[in-house]
Amino acid sequence: NAGVTQTPKFRILKIGQSMTLQCTQDMNHNYMYWYRQDPGMGLKLIYYSVGAGITDKGEVPNGYNVSRSTTEDFPLRLELAAPSQTSVYFCASSYGRAYNEQFFGPGTRLTVL
Amino acid sequence: AQSVSQHNHHVILSEAASLELGCNYSYGGTVNLFWYVQYPGQHLQLLLKYFSGDPLVKGIKGFEAEFIKSKFSFNLRKPSVQWSDTAEYFCAVNGGNYGGSQGNLIFGKGTKLSVKP
Repeated sequence: NAGVTQTPKFRILKIGQSMTLQCTQDMNHNYMYWYRQDPGMGLKLIYYSVGAGITDKGEVPNGYNVSRSTTEDFPLRLELAAPSQTSVYFCASSYGRAYNEQFFGPGTRLTVL
Repeated sequence: AQSVSQHNHHVILSEAASLELGCNYSYGGTVNLFWYVQYPGQHLQLLLKYFSGDPLVKGIKGFEAEFIKSKFSFNLRKPSVQWSDTAEYFCAVNGGNYGGSQGNLIFGKGTKLSVKP
C-alpha cells in the first residue's frame, strides 16, 4: 500500500493564481482530512469528508474548497491564492473518526508570493 | 470548544536524559488522546493513543504516556532519549463523539525536541 499520497511536493504561486492540491489514499478509508501547518501553530483542520460526496468545513476553511467524488481522492482547491495561504498542507485519512489513527501524507509546501 | 495546550515550545536534551512533554486539554467529557511525532522533513506518525483502560499507555520507540483524568493531562515520557528522537511532537484530542465536529482531532501547537549527541 502506498498509504496517503500528495502532489505536488512543492509549489510557488503568485497572488491571485489558483491551484489544486491532490490527495489520494489506497486504504479504503471513509474519512479524509486537509490540514495546514504553520510554524509554532500546530495543525489546523481546513476541511474534512466522511465519505464520497460528503464534505464539511473545519476550523480554517476560508479561501479553500474541496470535493470528494470518490473514496480515494480528496483534492483541495485554492481559488485566489494569498500570502496568508503560504503553509505546509497535509492530507490525512482514517477508517473511522473518533477512535482511529489518522494516516498522513508527506505534505505539500506552498509559497504564495 | 476543545483546546489542547503543550507547555514547552522547544526542549533541548542530551542523549540519555529523561524526557517528559506536557499536554493538557480542556474538554470535560470522554476523550480520546493521541501523540504524533514528526521527524525532520517527514509526515506525522502516530506514537501512541489512549481510549480507555490502563491510563499508562506504551507506544513505539520506548515512548509512554500517562492519562490523568483529574488533571486533564496526557504527558509523554521516555526514560532515555536518543539523538534519533529529535523531532516535533504533537498532542491531539477528540471528544469521542461521532456527531458533528467533535469527532475531529484538535492538535496542540507542538513541542520541538532537540537531542544533543
